[in-house]
Amino acid sequence: AQKVTQAQTEISVVEKEDVTLDCVYETRDTTYYLFWYKQPPSGELVFLIRRNSFDEQNEISGRYSWNFQKSTSSFNFTITASQVVDSAVYFCALSEGREYGNKLVFGAGTILRVKS
Amino acid sequence: GAVVSQHPSRVICKSGTSVKIECRSLDFQATTMFWYRQFPKQSLMLMATSNEGSKATYEQGVEKDKFLINHASLTLSTLTVTSAHPEDSSFYICSARAEDRYGYTFGSGTRLTVV
Repeated sequence: AQKVTQAQTEISVVEKEDVTLDCVYETRDTTYYLFWYKQPPSGELVFLIRRNSFDEQNEISGRYSWNFQKSTSSFNFTITASQVVDSAVYFCALSEGREYGNKLVFGAGTILRVKS
Repeated sequence: GAVVSQHPSRVICKSGTSVKIECRSLDFQATTMFWYRQFPKQSLMLMATSNEGSKATYEQGVEKDKFLINHASLTLSTLTVTSAHPEDSSFYICSARAEDRYGYTFGSGTRLTVV
């Protein structure tokens, strides 16, 4: 069964610090998709990234970067030079299999607080 | 593109009444829709998966007679919380995907409070 673990319940940083959010996943499928979502206080989910299991290239998007390592089943997310607006709950999620639309399982989430 | 509209955003109802939440895909046909529940400071837990025209598949522990899901068209799915009780108070979020694209589009969520 698929499982996502986000061991960090809450992280507090000061503005401009870099912060890494950890995500470890479990799956028996060789084909799967990994996601990161941001959930601000308003509640809506903001899609950040999707990565399939065959693409281990790291990705950078502005201040955001992701490190995907199949050897350790991890898909960590780094925010560089954090800002107060980055304060939110961040979820890592996993979808197994080749079939589009297989269910998405979420980790417990990490609360990020960025203080000015 | 890929917008999902969820209504209402907030609802307060009396214990024992039923509440219907709607989830509409505005610019694509949603072959599959998912319903999640999120309790305060917790993660999103999948309640059920529904495919257009067929019965929903419920996750273990979710009462199908209490949480009625209807996916009668490719653009609309509804979740009805029947005989709601205070413990059903939660944040409910729908998600939809289309046959010809990969990705999950989420609604903005419904905050249900049962008093």
